[in-house]
Amino acid sequence: GEDVEQSLFLSVREGDSSVINCTYTDSSSTYLYWYKQEPGAGLQLLTYIFSNMDMKQDQRLTVLLNKKDKHLSLRIADTQTGDSAIYFCAENFGNEKLTFGTGTRLTIIP
Amino acid sequence: DTAVSQTPKYLVTQMGNDKSIKCEQNLGHDTMYWYKQDSKKFLKIMFSYNNKELIINETVPNRFSPKSPDKAHLNLHINSLELGDSAVYFCASSPGSNQPQHFGDGTRLSIL
Repeated sequence: GEDVEQSLFLSVREGDSSVINCTYTDSSSTYLYWYKQEPGAGLQLLTYIFSNMDMKQDQRLTVLLNKKDKHLSLRIADTQTGDSAIYFCAENFGNEKLTFGTGTRLTIIP
Repeated sequence: DTAVSQTPKYLVTQMGNDKSIKCEQNLGHDTMYWYKQDSKKFLKIMFSYNNKELIINETVPNRFSPKSPDKAHLNLHINSLELGDSAVYFCASSPGSNQPQHFGDGTRLSIL
């Protein structure tokens, strides 16, 4: 079936790197996504990776895709207080709808 | 300038009422969606429309009726609201299916 899993919480010291992990069950996704949701706000498309890529870098964000292990990660370099949010990975599993992970709540420790 | 806009942002109403949420996108996208986010932040697809035609109806009660007057708009009407309908409802759009989706800011629905 289509299942996407994330750990629920992550705490990181300001200035350190944050790594948010995601595992999925089905390999048929065309794109794999990371969304950010700040408190009381909507979903912001942070970045996405095409399924035939292994890595994508966009300023402080690095996405790594390990298709063999069905593992997706998001690394945020030099984590800032403004990075506090819930981060969702999402896959489309080859169809129109997005299936979301449970979300990882990132807390920044001053 | 908002790409995907939803109204209202907040909706507080009593059980049994009927309410509508509106969504508009100015991105020129062909596909629009409704998602529901529950109190535990879990997000699930409800409906998807492509160029005004229903593509996905994800076992949503028939009290929920989406309507797409044109490809830039997808509205959601809910009849006989129940306590369990309390959630945040997100509209999204994408250029086509299997392409990155852009979300609105959500409508926070509270049923008293």
